[in-house]
Amino acid sequence: AQKITQTQPGMFVQEKEAVTLDCTYDTSDPSYGLFWYKQPSSGEMIFLIYQGSYDQQNATEGRYSLNFQKARKSANLVISASQLGDSAMYFCAMRKGSQGAQKLVFGQGTRLTINP
Amino acid sequence: NAGVMQNPRHLVRRRGQEARLRCSPMKGHSHVYWYRQLPEEGLKFMVYLQKENIIDESGMPKERFSAEFPKEGPSILRIQQVVRGDSAAYFCASSETGANTGELFFGEGSRLTVL
Repeated sequence: AQKITQTQPGMFVQEKEAVTLDCTYDTSDPSYGLFWYKQPSSGEMIFLIYQGSYDQQNATEGRYSLNFQKARKSANLVISASQLGDSAMYFCAMRKGSQGAQKLVFGQGTRLTINP
Repeated sequence: NAGVMQNPRHLVRRRGQEARLRCSPMKGHSHVYWYRQLPEEGLKFMVYLQKENIIDESGMPKERFSAEFPKEGPSILRIQQVVRGDSAAYFCASSETGANTGELFFGEGSRLTVL
């Protein structure tokens, strides 16, 4: 069975510092996709970044990068130069890579608080 | 180009009543997914639908819950005889295809409170 583990329930970081949010996953499928979503207090789910299991390079999107270590089954999110607006819940999710469906398995989330 | 639209954003029901949540996918998207988020938890998959078909309902509770995506109109998630444990945020997402590529677009969610 697929599983996503986020071991940090909460993190507190000073503004402008970089922050790493941990995510480990468990799957027996060779093909899968990994996602990070941001959920601010308003509640919507905002897509941040995606990494495919066969992608050779780590994904990057602006200030977001995904530190993908396949052998360790980890997909940590790195946010550089954090801003106050980064305060939110962050969810790591995995999609099974075989036939059909955007069926994601989510972790429990990490609540990130950026301090001024 | 409107995103995934969900309504109502907030719904309050008393125990035993019915709740209907609606989702209009992004333009051109024919694949719809419903997820449920209990307080302080991640989202959990409920059901995947294409127009007029339920493709995967492995995450749906066996009783009281149903979903449809008619040929015309929005997808509907229906909860009959609601109980307090149904209080959650229900998210709809859509994609252009059912293939395992690209982004899944989420709506803003519908928050159900059962009194």
